Amino acid sequence: AQTVTQSQPEMSVQEAETVTLSCTYDTSESDYYLFWYKQPPSRQMILVIRQEAYKQQNATENRFSVNFQKAAKSFSLKISDSQLGDAAMYFCAYRRGYDYKLSFGAGTTVTVRA
Amino acid sequence: DSGVTQTPKHLITATGQRVTLRCSPRSGDLSVYWYQQSLDQGLQFLIHYYNGEERAKGNILERFSAQQFPDLHSELNLSSLELGDSALYFCASSTRPIGGEAFFGQGTRLTVV
Repeated sequence: AQTVTQSQPEMSVQEAETVTLSCTYDTSESDYYLFWYKQPPSRQMILVIRQEAYKQQNATENRFSVNFQKAAKSFSLKISDSQLGDAAMYFCAYRRGYDYKLSFGAGTTVTVRA
Repeated sequence: DSGVTQTPKHLITATGQRVTLRCSPRSGDLSVYWYQQSLDQGLQFLIHYYNGEERAKGNILERFSAQQFPDLHSELNLSSLELGDSALYFCASSTRPIGGEAFFGQGTRLTVV
């Protein structure tokens, strides 16, 4: 079974600063995908970024980037130039390449200080 | 806006009752997934339908059932409700039966009293 672990229940960051969220996962698969989803107070689950396991290059989406360490099974999210609108709960998720379902971590609540 | 529509947004009902949650996937998406988000269990996969057929079940209770109709909308039926069923229920859709990006609706907040 695949497990996703987010060890930081809460993180706080000053506006315009950088924050890094940790995620580790456990799998014996070689073909899989990793995701970060954002859940703001509106509770909508919004896909922030995705990473294919076969790609060595770390994914980047504007101010969001990941540090994918396949051997260490680590997948951290870096939010640069944090904005008030980044305040949300962030979930790390895993999916096998040929699979249908997502396995989620427990989430990290990010607070942005003005 | 993800394009996935869930109704109702909020639902309050009593224990022992039955409710139906509705999901309309994005236009063109044939796959519908249901997830439950609760404080103690986190986000858990419940069930997956593709083009009207059940493809996979996750941690779904026997009191719960779902179906996908010819117009591709899906309904999640929850019966004999218990206090512990209070949760946020998400529907997500994607184009392909396996893999592909999953786009989530805004969820239905179910409160059982």
